[in-house]
Order: sequence, then structure tokens, then C-alpha cells
Amino acid sequence: DAGVTQSPTHLIKTRGQHVTLRCSPISGHKSVSWYQQVLGQGPQFIFQYYEKEERGRGNFPDRFSARQFPNYSSELNVNALLLGDSALYLCASRPDPSTDTQYFGPGTRLTVL
Amino acid sequence: AQSVTQLDSQVPVFEEAPVELRCNYSSSVSVYLFWYVQYPNQGLQLLLKYLSGSTLVKGINGFEAEFNKSQTSFHLRKPSVHISDTAEYFCAVSGDFGNEKLTFGTGTRLTIIP
Repeated sequence: DAGVTQSPTHLIKTRGQHVTLRCSPISGHKSVSWYQQVLGQGPQFIFQYYEKEERGRGNFPDRFSARQFPNYSSELNVNALLLGDSALYLCASRPDPSTDTQYFGPGTRLTVL
Repeated sequence: AQSVTQLDSQVPVFEEAPVELRCNYSSSVSVYLFWYVQYPNQGLQLLLKYLSGSTLVKGINGFEAEFNKSQTSFHLRKPSVHISDTAEYFCAVSGDFGNEKLTFGTGTRLTIIP
């Protein structure tokens, strides 16, 4: 079975631009979470979606937004990119919020110049 | 609020030697504890988890961890490491499910010396 997939693998943007990252969860998983992992740090929670509704939000500015589609795939959008947004963005899925284990994708490496 | 402290940022170990990676947590509610491994240029893979019951938890690749509530610790151990264990290891905590945020530590880089 396919795991969590993310696209693109790598991305280079300049300050002020906008970026969209995509995530496809494991088949049957309806809950998707996004994490930001800055180099040398642990992942930090950004958003969690379940059944297309936002269920949780981390301490990130409004420049960060996300949505979940009817097929449970998800997009993370970041506007007005800053150098500090350079990071590995991880998507994780699980069947529903009551399930203990999250399954992570390989991530999208975003570099902001 | 929950937090996780991984006391060692880097741990070098000789091949076939034992290793312990330390993790301490703080939380005002019941916690669920996890260890994830991240190989170079990859995402996170679950090694093991503690939800309830026996405080000694066994995971994949020969790793185990012991939950110690009085010391608020969840240290990861392996009796004999291999070159393939070279990776970054993250300890994480979560509250009651329904509130699914995982809070991660800063990670421990395990380097195996041949």
C-alpha cells in the first residue's frame, strides 16, 4: 500500500512569494496534519484537518493556511514567504483523530532565498 | 502545555555497543509518548509508543523504551547498535486523542562508529 505522499520534493522560492505544498494521505485516512521542521530542530505542529474541517492550529502566523479536499488530500499554503520559512514541511495522516499513530510522508524541502 | 527535552543533541556509539537516548517530558495531563526515527533525507518513522499498561515498550529494529512516571522520562535503548541505526531520533508527546498535536523534542543524532 502506498504511504503518505507529498509534492513537490524540493522547492526554491524567493522572499515575498507564495507557495503551495500538497499531501495525499494513506488510503482510508481522513485526518491530515502538517508540521514544520527547521534544520536542527524537531517538527512543530502547524495544522490538523479532519473531514475537511480544521481541528487544530499551532502557533503560526496567518500567512500559513491549509485546506482539505473531499478525497482527504490536503494543501498547505504560505504567503509572503520569509527566509525563516525555509524548512522541511511534513504531512502526517491517520484514520481519524482518535487513532494514536500518525504516519509521516517524506516531506517537502522549501528553501526561501 | 506539554514539552519534551532530549538531553543529548549528539550521541556517538561504537558498533555493537549498547545505547541509551534520553527523553524527559512535562505535561499537566495524561500523556502518550512516542519515539520516531528520521533517516537522512526522509520523513519520520515510528519506532515505538507508550499509551498505557506495561512501562517497558518494545519497538521495531530491536529498540525498547521504558516509561517512568515519577521521573517523567521515556528513555530509548538498544543493547547492540548497527551502522544502519545512524539517524536522528525524536521523542514526542501527545495529550488525549482528539487533541492530536504531537510535541517533539529537538532530536538526538545517533552516530555509529565502525
